[in-house]
Amino acid sequence: GAGVSQSPRYKVTKRGQDVALRCDPISGHVSLYWYRQALGQGPEFLTYFNYEAQQDKSGLPNDRFSAERPEGSISTLTIQRTEQRDSAMYRCASSLVSSWDNEQFFGPGTRLTVL
Amino acid sequence: GQQLNQSPQSMFIQEGEDVSMNCTSSSIFNTWLWYKQDPGEGPVLLIALYKAGELTSNGRLTAQFGITRKDSFLNISASIPSDVGIYFCAGQVGTSGSRLTFGEGTQLTVNP
Repeated sequence: GAGVSQSPRYKVTKRGQDVALRCDPISGHVSLYWYRQALGQGPEFLTYFNYEAQQDKSGLPNDRFSAERPEGSISTLTIQRTEQRDSAMYRCASSLVSSWDNEQFFGPGTRLTVL
Repeated sequence: GQQLNQSPQSMFIQEGEDVSMNCTSSSIFNTWLWYKQDPGEGPVLLIALYKAGELTSNGRLTAQFGITRKDSFLNISASIPSDVGIYFCAGQVGTSGSRLTFGEGTQLTVNP
């Protein structure tokens, strides 16, 4: 079966533009996570959803960042008025979420470059 | 944001050697995980640890969940060239559906 997919894989944008990053989780997975990974660092948590409900958005850096998952499947991470410091790999993960199996499966990421 | 302290940052070893890396935290975690990341790919789970003191093996990999819940180590025995990659530790406070806190990674290079 298909794993987590993300699009686009690469995004180059100019400072001040808005960008929308898409995540397609594994079918049937309840939980969906967004992480940001800078070069040479581990992924850093941004936000996560159970079904369509955003459970924790404490990792979002500021109010330019938002995420939604309106139908409990595909999710979009939106960054408004991008800045150069937003350049990073943005990774999505999903998990089945039951009492015994909550392994997070990661997608290949979207590499965002803000010029 | 909070990250785990992972060491060493990088390792260069000969094929066949054993490798050890570890992770420490000032916070308690209820779950410790070890991931491997290959170039151009997302992290892939290697081992998950759910109980303090637990020692778990997966083939040539062995990992332990520290008694204090604030540390973990990963050993790789008899390394092979395909072990090359970045290894991350991660801690989780909850069990189901909660965020992962990652270490900074250990870049492993294996010379044939």
